Amino acid sequence: QQQVKQSPQSLIVQKGGISIINCAYENTAFDYFPWYQQFPGKGPALLIAIRPDVSEKKEGRFTISFNKSAKQFSLHIMDSQPGDSATYFCAASISGPSGSARQLTFGSGTQLTVLP
Amino acid sequence: DSGVTQTPKHLITATGQRVTLRCSPRSGDLSVYWYQQSLDQGLQFLIQYYNGEERAKGNILERFSAQQFPDLHSELNLSSLELGDSALYFCASSVGGVWGNENIQYFGAGTRLSVL
Repeated sequence: QQQVKQSPQSLIVQKGGISIINCAYENTAFDYFPWYQQFPGKGPALLIAIRPDVSEKKEGRFTISFNKSAKQFSLHIMDSQPGDSATYFCAASISGPSGSARQLTFGSGTQLTVLP
Repeated sequence: DSGVTQTPKHLITATGQRVTLRCSPRSGDLSVYWYQQSLDQGLQFLIQYYNGEERAKGNILERFSAQQFPDLHSELNLSSLELGDSALYFCASSVGGVWGNENIQYFGAGTRLSVL
């Protein structure tokens, strides 16, 4: 199926702590897994993405862990800062040749609050 | 700034009316995607166009339609509006034509539609 399940719905973390958001998918045809960050009044912005041929990708304080056999992936935000407070969406899509890349299927979102 | 421009930012209209939302993709991007974001449904894919042609349809109502013009801008037409159509409508664009990069979707700031 096309669903992507995301948890938790909301998360409160102290400044400097680690924020962890989890997602699970069912469609094994998915081969691209991005995370988007959305601030109030703004559109989602790509944060980091991974393909299933690697188990982990790190960019600065953001890390995606990917478990292909379990069909799960997660976002870890190290040293969380108040400026990270936003809504985070995991997503999945299917790649393809020119012009055929499919739509993103989004998780339900996680409202992250980082306390100062 | 994602480079994707959506107009108008806000739209207030009455039930039964028709509105048009406009999207200008990033320079050079051939694919345009429309998404609807509501509190109860989250971010849902509506429709995708690639270089003027419809490529994929999601949960788009028959009252809604879209098109992509030769200059690659796109319009989403919503007719016979109902209260439940009130939502944020996002346009995203991706480059297309380059395997691996075309999954990266850049979102506009959205159009907030309020149906009264």
